[in-house]
Amino acid sequence: ETGVTQSPTHLIKTRGQQVTLRCSSQSGHNTVSWYQQALGQGPQFIFQYYREEENGRGNFPPRFSGLQFPNYSSELNVNALELDDSALYLCASSLDGAEQYFGPGTRLTVT
Amino acid sequence: GDSVTQMEGPVTLSEEAFLTINCTYTATGYPSLFWYVQYPGEGLQLLLKATKADDKGSNKGFEATYRKETTSFHLEKGSVQVSDSAVYFCALSDRAFGNEKLTFGTGTRLTIIP
Repeated sequence: ETGVTQSPTHLIKTRGQQVTLRCSSQSGHNTVSWYQQALGQGPQFIFQYYREEENGRGNFPPRFSGLQFPNYSSELNVNALELDDSALYLCASSLDGAEQYFGPGTRLTVT
Repeated sequence: GDSVTQMEGPVTLSEEAFLTINCTYTATGYPSLFWYVQYPGEGLQLLLKATKADDKGSNKGFEATYRKETTSFHLEKGSVQVSDSAVYFCALSDRAFGNEKLTFGTGTRLTIIP
């Protein structure tokens, strides 16, 4: 059974640029959630996708957007990057929104 | 809204010491409660969970009991090891929102010295 994988591992972008982060969910899972973890903080919920539809969103601006594909993998897109977007981005998958399994994360640095 | 407050760190203990990390929560519905652990450079791993009042979650010698009357879910271990050094996060999931989003505390960094 393959766990949750994320790519890339690390990423450096410049303020104002756009970035796409990718997540492959665990086999058999149909729900993907994204979290932002700033340095020294707990993860903050960005949004959740269930069967390709957005199913809940946290307190993040519209420049954070996402997609879920028919194979239940997912993308997180962030437009107009700001310095405060520098964080570890975590993806978690689950079956029907139950127990969530996390990937290793993508470390984004905005300069 | 929902929130989780956990004991501030860092916490440093000697090997074989007793561990308690306090966690209290505020929730609108009937949440499930979790402890996650994050080792350096890694994502989060579920350590244990409890889904209703008075449930006790346990794993790898760690325990936590869901106390509705005190809105608490304190993490305990009787004898810690160096390998337990990590950051521990208390979290809740409240289905009142129609999804299983997790709300996390700020984390407690635990260091065990030999």
